[in-house]
Amino acid sequence: GAGVSQTPSNKVTEKGKYVELRCDPISGHTALYWYRQSLGQGPEFLIYFQGTGAADDSGLPNDRFFAVRPEGSVSTLKIQRTERGDSAVYLCASSLTRLEEGYNEQFFGPGTRLTVL
Amino acid sequence: KQEVTQIPAALSVPEGENLVLNCSFTDSAIYNLQWFRQDPGKGLTSLLLIQSSQREQTSGRLNASLDKSSGRSTLYIAASQPGDSATYLCARGGGSQGNLIFGKGTKLSVKP
Repeated sequence: GAGVSQTPSNKVTEKGKYVELRCDPISGHTALYWYRQSLGQGPEFLIYFQGTGAADDSGLPNDRFFAVRPEGSVSTLKIQRTERGDSAVYLCASSLTRLEEGYNEQFFGPGTRLTVL
Repeated sequence: KQEVTQIPAALSVPEGENLVLNCSFTDSAIYNLQWFRQDPGKGLTSLLLIQSSQREQTSGRLNASLDKSSGRSTLYIAASQPGDSATYLCARGGGSQGNLIFGKGTKLSVKP
């Protein structure tokens, strides 16, 4: 079956512009996560959705970052007034969360490489 | 602060060798631990997931173990092949929300 997909694969923008990054999770996965990966580092957590609601947004670096998942499937990460430091690979993951069973295998998309000039 | 450390940062081995990648974490109250593979410029491929109640998982030539009391996990790769060359990341499940906390990875190079 189809895995997690992300669009665009690459995005180049100018400092101060607004960008939207899209994530399409695996069908039926209720949990959706956004991570950010800088060169040479492991991914860092940004935000977690369970269904339509953001259950944990503690990883968002500041209020320029916002994410939505209006119908509990596709999610969009929105970055306002982009800065050069926002340049990174933005990864999305989804899972069939069964926390009560201690099972939460996350499946990742290919990522969106964002470059802010 | 919860931290995940991976040692070594890079490893180069000849084809056919068995090898071990190490992962340590500071909080023993983990939810689960997941190992990933990342090829250059690509996303993450899940290799193995170990639930907190388990001690190891196996998939083909890969075996991952988990020792919560010592805060360690190892990924064992048997009979390494050039196609195994990639960066291997371990991540612990943090908290009730399940978001992952990653190490920086071990970059593996298997020489033919």
